[in-house]
Amino acid sequence: EAQVTQNPRYLITVTGKKLTVTCSQNMNHEYMSWYRQDPGLGLRQIYYSMNVEVTDKGDVPEGYKVSRKEKRNFPLILESPSPNQTSLYFCASSPGFGGELFFGEGSRLTVL
Amino acid sequence: DQQVKQNSPSLSVQEGRISILNCDYTNSMFDYFLWYKKYPAEGPTFLISISSIKDKNEDGRFTVFLNKSAKHLSLHIVPSQPGDSAVYFCAASEGSNYKLTFGKGTLLTVNP
Repeated sequence: EAQVTQNPRYLITVTGKKLTVTCSQNMNHEYMSWYRQDPGLGLRQIYYSMNVEVTDKGDVPEGYKVSRKEKRNFPLILESPSPNQTSLYFCASSPGFGGELFFGEGSRLTVL
Repeated sequence: DQQVKQNSPSLSVQEGRISILNCDYTNSMFDYFLWYKKYPAEGPTFLISISSIKDKNEDGRFTVFLNKSAKHLSLHIVPSQPGDSAVYFCAASEGSNYKLTFGKGTLLTVNP
């Protein structure tokens, strides 16, 4: 089954404790991206990657890092999480321009 | 500056009637537009798209209309069904840019 898989789905952590949200897709898509969804703000892009070893900032990259060492994986790293990073995070992939985004089921992160 | 605007946070319609969801954009370089549907506890799923070379695209009960001069697009759902109740996001991209800019979403409720 074609899918984008995120882990963990739910996480409660404390300020400053590094965490990684993994994302993996099995569709051989070149393009991958991370979004966060917040009430009243919709979906905002954090980082995206057009191919292996190619990443770029989206609209709200502060406080996040990403890496793309393999085509299928695109982890989101929060080096020192803060409460304003409490959000619902979505990973997405696409075969390329014009192709629709395929989203994961989301990871709800709470930073205390 | 919000480049994609969905000015109605919510919309309620009766089953069998037409649902019209609206979206406005400010960036005249946008040339590809998409609608996504999102159920609670799930990731957004692609619904329908339209290129700027068209003014209408239809897929079953869903039709998207694009008015480039007004920088406005709309999604029509006819007839509306209770299963259509979800948050609908409008999104846009420009040229060969993979980046999608999303609106804040409209919660559609279809009442039986």
